[in-house]
Amino acid sequence: AQKITQTQPGMFVQEKEAVTLDCTYDTSDPSYGLFWYKQPSSGEMIFLIYQGSYDQQNATEGRYSLNFQKARKSANLVISASQLGDSAMYFCAMREGRGYGQNFVFGPGTRLSVLP
Amino acid sequence: EPEVTQTPSHQVTQMGQEVILRCVPISNHLYFYWYRQILGQKVEFLVSFYNNEISEKSEIFDDQFSVERPDGSNFTLKIRSTKLEDSAMYFCASRQHGQGRETQYFGPGTRLLVL
Repeated sequence: AQKITQTQPGMFVQEKEAVTLDCTYDTSDPSYGLFWYKQPSSGEMIFLIYQGSYDQQNATEGRYSLNFQKARKSANLVISASQLGDSAMYFCAMREGRGYGQNFVFGPGTRLSVLP
Repeated sequence: EPEVTQTPSHQVTQMGQEVILRCVPISNHLYFYWYRQILGQKVEFLVSFYNNEISEKSEIFDDQFSVERPDGSNFTLKIRSTKLEDSAMYFCASRQHGQGRETQYFGPGTRLLVL
């Protein structure tokens, strides 16, 4: 079963506008963590933002914010004031497992293109 | 800022050959991971490592794979007899110990091509 769903294979946004990238997840574990990573064309995986399942407030990191709706099991990434350098693949990931493992499960990704 | 490093950045090998991918995690991190990403597909978990032993592994991580921490800084992934379908980007990641320190920091990856 798909644990992380990203329904938008590709998105376009005009430079300086805001964009929301969708992520829904499936878990029965009350304790989990949600992450967003950016993968530019060069291939590296860049950590953007983290949301813990018990966090009361939505996470924010500069121009990135996470719209966490626990009851709906969604963790959408909002990028404000898009820049050309934001063009990349964006992956939503969830930490699963207990103990020392705690591996990540990744979604299929959304390719964001920022238009000048 | 400390970062995870990986060598080589690219590796081309013949089918059936052994390859060793190397990683240097961030120095105060205690948990280490390998992931792979086949071209155009999502990132898949292979194995996690803590306290000098494997803590979790996926069904992808079969007997042809092994991991080792040969010294205090390196973390290696060995593929004993490579297959064409092993061609992928391999990422190493590491994280700290403790609650609230769940973020895994990824290296730049090694792109493996099996011919």
